[in-house]
Amino acid sequence: AQTVTQSQPEMSVQEAETVTLSCTYDTSENNYYLFWYKQPPSRQMILVIRQEAYKQQNATENRFSVNFQKAAKSFSLKISDSQLGDTAMYFCAFSRDIYEKLTFGTGTRLTIIP
Amino acid sequence: GAGVSQSPSNKVTEKGKDVELRCDPISGHTALYWYRQSLGQGLEFLIYFQGNSAPDKSGLPSDRFSAERTGGSVSTLTIQRTQQEDSAVYLCASSPDGSLTDTQYFGPGTRLTVL
Repeated sequence: AQTVTQSQPEMSVQEAETVTLSCTYDTSENNYYLFWYKQPPSRQMILVIRQEAYKQQNATENRFSVNFQKAAKSFSLKISDSQLGDTAMYFCAFSRDIYEKLTFGTGTRLTIIP
Repeated sequence: GAGVSQSPSNKVTEKGKDVELRCDPISGHTALYWYRQSLGQGLEFLIYFQGNSAPDKSGLPSDRFSAERTGGSVSTLTIQRTQQEDSAVYLCASSPDGSLTDTQYFGPGTRLTVL
């Protein structure tokens, strides 16, 4: 079975600074998908960024980028120029296949301080 | 509607009662997922519907939990004989064809409290 571990329950950072959220996972699969989701107080889960394991290039979406280390089974999220609206729970998730269910980590509560 | 909707938004029930939670996915989305989020925990997959295929029920924690999806659209998650450990936020998500290269669109959730 796949597992996803987020070792940072809470983090805080000053507005405009850069923050990195950690995620590690365990799988015997060679091809799979990794995701970061954001959950603001509204409880909606919003897809932030997605990485396909067979792609060596790290995914980037505006201020959000990942550091995908396949051998180390690490998938960290970097938020640059952090904004107050980035305050939320962030979940790392794994899927074996594009049609498979998601396995989530326990989340990191990120607070951006004005 | 424009997004996934769930009802009720909050439900308080007594231990031993049955509850039904409703999810209206985005129109045209063939895939529908139910997740549970307990306090301090990540999301736990419960069940997955994809078109007319048999649902993936591998995440249901016990036989007290069941779900159905009528007409390929609305889904109802039923919890029988509720227990206090069932207290959680239940999230529903849909996607156009079940491919995770498509975004899963989540609803706002139903917060269930079992007294």
